[in-house]
Amino acid sequence: DQQVKQNSPSLSVQEGRISILNCDYTNSMFDYFLWYKKYPAEGPTFLISISSIKDKNEDGRFTVFLNKSAKHLSLHIVPSQPGDSAVYFCAAKGNEKLTFGTGTRLTIIP
Amino acid sequence: DVKVTQSSRYLVKRTGEKVFLECVQDMDHENMFWYRQDPGLGLRLIYFSYDVKMKEKGDIPEGYSVSREKKERFSLILESASTNQTSMYLCASSLGKGELFFGEGSRLTVL
Repeated sequence: DQQVKQNSPSLSVQEGRISILNCDYTNSMFDYFLWYKKYPAEGPTFLISISSIKDKNEDGRFTVFLNKSAKHLSLHIVPSQPGDSAVYFCAAKGNEKLTFGTGTRLTIIP
Repeated sequence: DVKVTQSSRYLVKRTGEKVFLECVQDMDHENMFWYRQDPGLGLRLIYFSYDVKMKEKGDIPEGYSVSREKKERFSLILESASTNQTSMYLCASSLGKGELFFGEGSRLTVL
């Protein structure tokens, strides 16, 4: 039973445009959400997070939006850069455990 | 900077062998985790630990055990490796709530 879903396995975006990565969850007990970025042969690195009491958090080119009623979060990257090409995982925290989605491979086209 | 070090980047083992994957963190974090990453399945939690000598099963603990004798070290053990345990294994640590810091991963191939 996949509690955190990323329905797009891959996404290609032109350099300079906006990248939007989506994530849905089913467990209403999740109270904290995170995005991780992973390059090949490296461990995931933390990107940005949002608490369930907020609906938006921004950090430079990265913004995470949370829609609790829809159980949906999204990561916006603008403008997209070639170095953003990686696999992105969303994760949700409940009971001190992190549950990860299946990942979206983002490719930025120069 | 937090450093999580996994002892082996690449391992090749035979079916039935006992496998140890070691993980050490240098930031005095209480919490440590073992995940495996497989294509199309994301990261799945195998075991985690909130304190020395303490362990909790994650979502897929079958075929694995763990050991945490010291705060900085968390070991994953495959008692009898099988081909379906071929995967990328990721260790992580955290301090309380919030972000996990991951090691670089150990790619295990079981023949």
